[in-house]
Amino acid sequence: AQKVTQAQTEISVVEKEDVTLDCVYETRDTTYYLFWYKQPPSGELVFLIRRNSFDEQNEISGRYSWNFQKSTSSFNFTITASQVVDSAVYFCALRYWSQAGTALIFGKGTTLSVSS
Amino acid sequence: NAGVTQTPKFQVLKTGQSMTLQCAQDMNHNSMYWYRQDPGMGLRLIYYSASEGTTDKGEVPDGYNVSRLKKQNFLLGLESAAPSQTSVYFCASSEPTGRIGYTFGSGTRLTVV
Repeated sequence: AQKVTQAQTEISVVEKEDVTLDCVYETRDTTYYLFWYKQPPSGELVFLIRRNSFDEQNEISGRYSWNFQKSTSSFNFTITASQVVDSAVYFCALRYWSQAGTALIFGKGTTLSVSS
Repeated sequence: NAGVTQTPKFQVLKTGQSMTLQCAQDMNHNSMYWYRQDPGMGLRLIYYSASEGTTDKGEVPDGYNVSRLKKQNFLLGLESAAPSQTSVYFCASSEPTGRIGYTFGSGTRLTVV
């Protein structure tokens, strides 16, 4: 069975603090993809990053970084020097295979509030 | 702009009414999806379609039907709306492997009273 768990429901930080959003996944697939999406208050879903199961190289993109560890089935997301504009709901997702094709299964999301 | 377009953006239905949510994509993607988003539940897959003419159930298909007669369109139907179907509905599309990512529409906010 496929499952994505985001244990942190809500996180509140003050601007310029670093914050890490946790994601733990379960899958029986040997090849899989993991995603992070951001949903700002306006409601749209914004794609942030995709990682495949063969690539454990961690990535940094500006203030964002991702830590993928297959050994612990985790794909964590860190925002460095957070800003008010980072306030949003963040979703971790896992692509899974079925006979009908592929689809994403999402975690329940982590609401990040950054205050000035 | 290329992407996924959902109509309508907002809708209020009375219990028992029927309606169809429309989704169109212009990226020539084979795969399309319908999700619903409820507070504290994340996004849950309702139905998906790997190609024109094929559909399959997701996690929460009860009370819905879908149609994929054309590659660019994926329709979600509610035959007899219930208050439990009050939600925000998102349509998405992707190329078959999903490697590049999934493009989401802007959502339809549906309220059933």
